[in-house]
Amino acid sequence: NAGVTQTPKFQVLKTGQSMTLQCAQDMNHNSMYWYRQDPGMGLRLIYYSASEGTTDKGEVPNGYNVSRLNKREFSLRLESAAPSQTSVYFCASIVAGYTEAFFGQGTRLTVV
Amino acid sequence: GENVEQHPSTLSVQEGDSAVIKCTYSDSASNYFPWYKQELGKRPQLIIDIRSNVGEKKDQRIAVTLNKTAKHFSLHITETQPEDSAVYFCAATGAGSYQLTFGKGTKLSVIP
Repeated sequence: NAGVTQTPKFQVLKTGQSMTLQCAQDMNHNSMYWYRQDPGMGLRLIYYSASEGTTDKGEVPNGYNVSRLNKREFSLRLESAAPSQTSVYFCASIVAGYTEAFFGQGTRLTVV
Repeated sequence: GENVEQHPSTLSVQEGDSAVIKCTYSDSASNYFPWYKQELGKRPQLIIDIRSNVGEKKDQRIAVTLNKTAKHFSLHITETQPEDSAVYFCAATGAGSYQLTFGKGTKLSVIP
């Protein structure tokens, strides 16, 4: 039981490049989330998927797209990376509302 | 949407003393309030949570209190130990919502 797994762990991109961050959970959770963490800013919600087949914008969705591929997988895509997207990205999943969120180990992304 | 304010941003205490972190929320319909601990370079992990039908919850040295009228909740850590040093995040989820909104975090340092 691996929990929530994110790939890659580290990535350096040049401005304008695109990439997809992958997230998979093996806990049969319904809801999945993408957060970004910047110093002094806490965890800010980018997008979330309440259940398979649905996605919604969070607090900071601009510059990102998501895909809930199936119940296990939720990917985050940067179409044209910008230096402002340099951050640590966390994926999380929840079995249902009002319960513990389990986080992946994070992806440290640097855009130069 | 929900807005969660967290204070203080940094907190230093002597080993053995108590630490208190406070959060306020804006959505009166919010009904789930978890606290997460994040050690340096690690993922956030749940340490305690409380639901709106409960005023206080305790787990060994950690307790959380909730005042729905004032829309604030607090984390209390007693008999602090060096291993309590970390960043602590409060969060809130609104009724009928799948959005988990975090505060900006408190960096707690326990001085031996």
